Amino acid sequence: ILNVEQSPQSLHVQEGDSTNFTCSFPSSNFYALHWYRWETAKSPEALFVMTLNGDEKKKGRISATLNTKEGYSYLYIKGSQPEDSATYLCAFDSNYQLIWGAGTKLIIKP
Amino acid sequence: DGGITQSPKYLFRKEGQNVTLSCEQNLNHDAMYWYRQDPGQGLRLIYYSQIVNDFQKGDIAEGYSVSREKKESFPLTVTSAQKNPTAFYLCASSIVDGELFFGEGSRLTVL
Repeated sequence: ILNVEQSPQSLHVQEGDSTNFTCSFPSSNFYALHWYRWETAKSPEALFVMTLNGDEKKKGRISATLNTKEGYSYLYIKGSQPEDSATYLCAFDSNYQLIWGAGTKLIIKP
Repeated sequence: DGGITQSPKYLFRKEGQNVTLSCEQNLNHDAMYWYRQDPGQGLRLIYYSQIVNDFQKGDIAEGYSVSREKKESFPLTVTSAQKNPTAFYLCASSIVDGELFFGEGSRLTVL
């Protein structure tokens, strides 16, 4: 059974601090790794779709890295702001289906 | 604006009733999906469709049915055969191999 683990489950961060969290996924049958941000009462929105080992993608203060050989991806947020409060989901794409992690809930304290 | 519209946002069902959740997209995407979210779990795929008049079962299709008569529409029916239907349901669409675009979800509660 393919499993995707995200850690931590939840995270409280002081405004202005930087933070990161992890997505672990199977190291075989890899096609892509997706990151989504899901704010309360809104739709999940795609942040990154990553396909190459060693890839690093950036969108503003948010960046992500990918290690397909060991099966993990990190999401980094630099200088956290209140609008970063959300649940961050990752999904392992085997080109057959997406397997989703349960998410990391990030709360930014003012 | 282009996007995905799900309705209703909240739905209450009595045991033994079928209910249908609507999902409409105007993004011209070929693929559409239905996911279920339960507390503490990742999204689980119920059904997906990659082309009109064709759809495939996902991991937890039992007790659910779908149709894809139009490219824009992918309604989900939660039947009385679904033993634990209380959950949050998300609809999504995409181009093939692309990122998913989601609706805001529908919360179904069985009374």
